[in-house]
Amino acid sequence: AQSVAQPEDQVNVAEGNPLTVKCTYSVSGNPYLFWYVQYPNRGLQFLLKYITGDNLVKGSYGFEAEFNKSQTSFHLKKPSALVSDSALYFCAVRDENNFNKFYFGSGTKLNVKP
Amino acid sequence: EPEVTQTPSHQVTQMGQEVILRCVPISNHLYFYWYRQILGQKVEFLVSFYNNEISEKSEIFDDQFSVERPDGSNFTLKIRSTKLEDSAMYFCASSPGKGAIGTGELFFGEGSRLTVL
Repeated sequence: AQSVAQPEDQVNVAEGNPLTVKCTYSVSGNPYLFWYVQYPNRGLQFLLKYITGDNLVKGSYGFEAEFNKSQTSFHLKKPSALVSDSALYFCAVRDENNFNKFYFGSGTKLNVKP
Repeated sequence: EPEVTQTPSHQVTQMGQEVILRCVPISNHLYFYWYRQILGQKVEFLVSFYNNEISEKSEIFDDQFSVERPDGSNFTLKIRSTKLEDSAMYFCASSPGKGAIGTGELFFGEGSRLTVL
């Protein structure tokens, strides 16, 4: 069965410190992996994706994520957090073999304190 | 830049009334979705639509829900008889086919907030 898990409901980090938001996945075929961000009262905004190629992918606003096939993980990272990064972050997965299915994790609230 | 548009942005309705939420996906996209989100919580899958038919639906998408793509551009979600628990933000999304440029990610509208009183 296809699924994606975000084990942390909330992540707190001080401005300027590195941040990591965790995500693990489970699919039957090759995964397409995504991160989205949601600011209050807004829609879901695409950040980055992994489909093939380099395991480290870079996206918007200085975010990056590393695909780890052996650990079935796709953690979101940023070297230096900003207060404006505070938002809700969703990991998502799409199965190459079941392309119509697109599932989100439960979301992680990132709080960056000044 | 092409975008997914949704109307209305906010609708207030009485319990038991029918509601239609409208979406205009990005043209030449092939996959269409409705999701809902209650009060900034998790994003719940409702239904996916491909090749003019429902390809997948969740247990939330019961007989009270239906989707249509009547004219090749609009993609609508109808709730036949709304309940209090249908109050949520409803998001429409679309994506190109596999292998197309920009493949993979879903493009989301800004959402339609439904309030059932």
